[in-house]
Amino acid sequence: DSGVTQTPKHLITATGQRVTLRCSPRSGDLSVYWYQQSLDQGLQFLIQYYNGEERAKGNILERFSAQQFPDLHSELNLSSLELGDSALYFCASSSEDRGGMEAFFGQGTRLTVV
Amino acid sequence: GDSVTQMEGPVTLSEEAFLTINCTYTATGYPSLFWYVQYPGEGLQLLLKATKADDKGSNKGFEATYRKETTSFHLEKGSVQVSDSAVYFCALSFYGNNRLAFGKGNQVVVIP
Repeated sequence: DSGVTQTPKHLITATGQRVTLRCSPRSGDLSVYWYQQSLDQGLQFLIQYYNGEERAKGNILERFSAQQFPDLHSELNLSSLELGDSALYFCASSSEDRGGMEAFFGQGTRLTVV
Repeated sequence: GDSVTQMEGPVTLSEEAFLTINCTYTATGYPSLFWYVQYPGEGLQLLLKATKADDKGSNKGFEATYRKETTSFHLEKGSVQVSDSAVYFCALSFYGNNRLAFGKGNQVVVIP
């Protein structure tokens, strides 16, 4: 158990809909990262928050947004969903922001858009 | 941009065989390098890491050495077990930020 909790584990929704994925980082970790894993793109970094502030953006679509709350949990919002958004979405956390730190991953949320 | 390249295709081998998975990187600075492992139905777990040139990371019989001259971080294990069957990802991050750039991953299947 990594200590990172993601909910829900599975999500099936229709095109055009909006969903929210939730992540609780390891106790004490200030940095939260979101990644998307798909068969064609592999593992892609989406966005990072550190202590409530957005710190870095990767290949995140404009239809997607995220936030980190004062209790440090994070939510990833995906809207106007398309079939191509079907993927496994991982959240990871680390104690600090600097490189070389171990990132702890949750088990992921599998999103299926039908 | 910064990127990681792993050898193409799954790797199938017999128990007790020698495992090598190649990883090379392209980066403008001096990244930290990682190997993560993903078991079926689970998230990624850190297997080993190296933060500077010539460092060797090791864990559970796996080893990888940070080679700056060849920009490589190849993963090796001398004698694999069935329980090593998983997907292995090479990744890098930089000092200023811990976001990871991953390779495509290699499925390793160990046959008894």
